[in-house]
Amino acid sequence: NAGVTQTPKFQVLKTGQSMTLQCAQDMNHNSMYWYRQDPGMGLRLIYYSASEGTTDKGEVPNGYNVSRLNKREFSLRLESAAPSQTSVYFCASSESTAGKNIQYFGAGTRLSVL
Amino acid sequence: DQQVKQNSPSLSVQEGRISILNCDYTNSMFDYFLWYKKYPAEGPTFLISISSIKDKNEDGRFTVFLNKSAKHLSLHIVPSQPGDSAVYFCAASVLDTGTASKLTFGTGTRLQVTL
Repeated sequence: NAGVTQTPKFQVLKTGQSMTLQCAQDMNHNSMYWYRQDPGMGLRLIYYSASEGTTDKGEVPNGYNVSRLNKREFSLRLESAAPSQTSVYFCASSESTAGKNIQYFGAGTRLSVL
Repeated sequence: DQQVKQNSPSLSVQEGRISILNCDYTNSMFDYFLWYKKYPAEGPTFLISISSIKDKNEDGRFTVFLNKSAKHLSLHIVPSQPGDSAVYFCAASVLDTGTASKLTFGTGTRLQVTL
């Protein structure tokens, strides 16, 4: 079982470049999430999609856009990367956002913006 | 404003002993709590959870205790094993908000189990 798959695993960008982080889940989950993890900050929610066709901002959405392409896929786009976006990005999914919300995470994308 | 706090960035415990990881929260609306475990270069994996109607939940070597009046929960690992060495995240949410229930994570505690 693949679970939650993120691509790429590593990426180096120059300031101002754009890129899209891809995420796919094979657990037939309705809800998907994007987090970033920075040293000493824990995981912070960037955007989430409660169900196919809906997206909402999380705690730190500035500088990012998302697309829920279908039930399986949820992508995160950086339109103009900044050094402050250097981080490890995790995608997660859960059956729903309601109730006992156990989220399953991908292995992460380590992004460096120079 | 950090609503979920893990004040110990790291903890070292000998193999076979008890590991106790602590977590404090400030939002009294939180009523569901989870612990996640994270190895290097991997994503967090769900470990154990507890809802606010309970004060203890046990799963094998792992037990979570909840003290609602103190807004404090702890994860006990007995006995600790070298494979338990990882970063542990505490997370909290509000059930039945009528809107999306989101997890708020703490900053993590790195546990090292030594031989």
